[in-house]
Amino acid sequence: EVQLVESGGGLIQPGGSLRLSCAASGFTVSSNYMSWVRQAPGKGLEWVSVIYSGGSTYYADSVKGRFTISRDNSKNTLYLQMNSLRAEDTAVYYCARDDGGSYSHSWGQGTLVTVSS
Amino acid sequence: QLVLTQSPSASASLGASVKLTCTLSSGHSSYAIAWHQQQPEKGPRYLMKLNSDGSHSKGDGIPDRFSGSSSGAERYLTISSLQSEDEADYYCQTWGTGIKVFGGGTKLTVL
Repeated sequence: EVQLVESGGGLIQPGGSLRLSCAASGFTVSSNYMSWVRQAPGKGLEWVSVIYSGGSTYYADSVKGRFTISRDNSKNTLYLQMNSLRAEDTAVYYCARDDGGSYSHSWGQGTLVTVSS
Repeated sequence: QLVLTQSPSASASLGASVKLTCTLSSGHSSYAIAWHQQQPEKGPRYLMKLNSDGSHSKGDGIPDRFSGSSSGAERYLTISSLQSEDEADYYCQTWGTGIKVFGGGTKLTVL
């Protein structure tokens, strides 16, 4: 059974850093395309970043230069390093397993990041 | 620019059918999309991938009440025999090389 479990969220001050983790089971992270998607309170889904099985990474303009997606093959875990956090980064962050470079077909339960002083 | 447009809200009665629409931006009418459901206080759930020719493939365990169709730049999600648990937000998603896009979502109310 495919499972994705996010962790690492919390309250952080503007300008701070946080690293989110997404532990996967039932499949191999490094062989799949994996995405991060976020949802601000009361708002819709917003794609954040994707890492391809070959290692290529892409980012939404809103986070480019501040966020970094990566994976640890030995731990079968996906990460999102978030630096220079802003109030507008406040959201529930979901990791997702993608079908190739296309849609997300398995989702985690999300982890809440709150950026506030 | 790759954009998906959805109506913010829709409503239908228990037991009835409803058709939700997702519109692709100009120049992208051949793109496939995916539909996702998000029930209150839950994470998203993949429903189906929908191609431009109307063919679709559903996720595991998705009831036959959920179906998809296409016409030009429009992609549709039809839910028949509406049940109370179908009250949720529905999002469409599409993609290109190095980019993924979500529509703004449609909040479905089951009356």
